[in-house]
Amino acid sequence: GAGVSQSPSNKVTEKGKDVELRCDPISGHTALYWYRQSLGQGLEFLIYFQGNSAPDKSGLPSDRFSAERTGGSVSTLTIQRTQQEDSAVYLCASSPKGLAGTYEQYFGPGTRLTVT
Amino acid sequence: TQLLEQSPQFLSIQEGENLTVYCNSSSVFSSLQWYRQEPGEGPVLLVTVVTGGEVKKLKRLTFQFGDARKDSSLHITAAQPGDTGLYLCAGHVTDSWGKLQFGAGTQVVVTP
Repeated sequence: GAGVSQSPSNKVTEKGKDVELRCDPISGHTALYWYRQSLGQGLEFLIYFQGNSAPDKSGLPSDRFSAERTGGSVSTLTIQRTQQEDSAVYLCASSPKGLAGTYEQYFGPGTRLTVT
Repeated sequence: TQLLEQSPQFLSIQEGENLTVYCNSSSVFSSLQWYRQEPGEGPVLLVTVVTGGEVKKLKRLTFQFGDARKDSSLHITAAQPGDTGLYLCAGHVTDSWGKLQFGAGTQVVVTP
């Protein structure tokens, strides 16, 4: 079946502009996650959705970052007034409710954001 | 501060050699996962371990979860060039099942 898809794959924007990043999770997966990965680094948790609600927004770096999920499916991560330090790969993952609390996550290919 | 510390950060070996990657923490995890990531792609799940002391084998890869569920290791036997990639460990903290805490990763390069 289809995996997690993300769009765009690459985005170059000027400092101060707003950007929207989209994630289409695997059909039927109730949980959706956003992470950020800087060059050569591990993944930094941003936000997690269960259905359309976000029980954990603790990783959002500032109030310039927001995310929503509609219909229990597609999610959009919005970054307002982008800064150069926002440049990174933004990864989305989805997860079925796993057995025994494993909650395995399936990742999309990411959106590479470059702020000039 | 990284909740999960991975070592080494970088490993370069010849085809046929063995290697071990370590993942350590002072926190207890309800489960721990290992992923491999290749350039331009998202991480791909290799294995999940949930029981202290658990050992899982996936062909030439052996994964171990520490007895106290605070650490894990990944051992590759007779490495092949196709094993090249960034290996990431990630754990679910016991009181926050939705969030995975990732280590910084170990870049493994296997040369023919």
